[in-house]
Amino acid sequence: GENVEQHPSTLSVQEGDSAVIKCTYSDSASNYFPWYKQELGKRPQLIIDIRSNVGEKKDQRIAVTLNKTAKHFSLHITETQPEDSAVYFCAGGGNTGTASKLTFGTGTRLQVTL
Amino acid sequence: KAGVTQTPRYLIKTRGQQVTLSCSPISGHRSVSWYQQTPGQGLQFLFEYFSETQRNKGNFPGRFSGRQFSNSRSEMNVSTLELGDSALYLCASRGTGRDTQYFGPGTRLTVL
Repeated sequence: GENVEQHPSTLSVQEGDSAVIKCTYSDSASNYFPWYKQELGKRPQLIIDIRSNVGEKKDQRIAVTLNKTAKHFSLHITETQPEDSAVYFCAGGGNTGTASKLTFGTGTRLQVTL
Repeated sequence: KAGVTQTPRYLIKTRGQQVTLSCSPISGHRSVSWYQQTPGQGLQFLFEYFSETQRNKGNFPGRFSGRQFSNSRSEMNVSTLELGDSALYLCASRGTGRDTQYFGPGTRLTVL
């Protein structure tokens, strides 16, 4: 089955700096890679996702890059703000229409300091 | 559209008991997946249901089971509870043929 590894487990950056979180996956059949943000006591919220036919996707301060050959993908947050502080999870998987399965990384706790 | 809802939000049980958790997906979504979230293991996939049929299953013992009803609402059951079953149980719904999963707020289960 799929195995997703995520690094680092904790990340502290100063407000305004950039943050990068990296994930690797093992199953070459995986074709969908979402990133979720989970604030304390809240549900995971999708912040960006990428499919295997795309190398990069950007949404304002957030971008995701995917290297299919190396089987790794990364989340980039620029101009970090205190409200970016949360736990971020990457995931890999895909769906066949009626069935899907996502394997999650172990999470990165991002702390944005003033 | 209303989001994914889960009931109850909190549960306290003792070892050996059983528990049933409920999940109502976003209207029109026919797929419901269940995850167990713990500080040590992160988010682990339990199973997925689509049109009342289990389509995928994670690596959990048979004490963990689920079902889905014709209105797409899903329940999961854990029998013979163990201390290690204490966790946040999240469900997520997905539109047919879509990749994006939307999570509910979770049920926090504490086993004493």
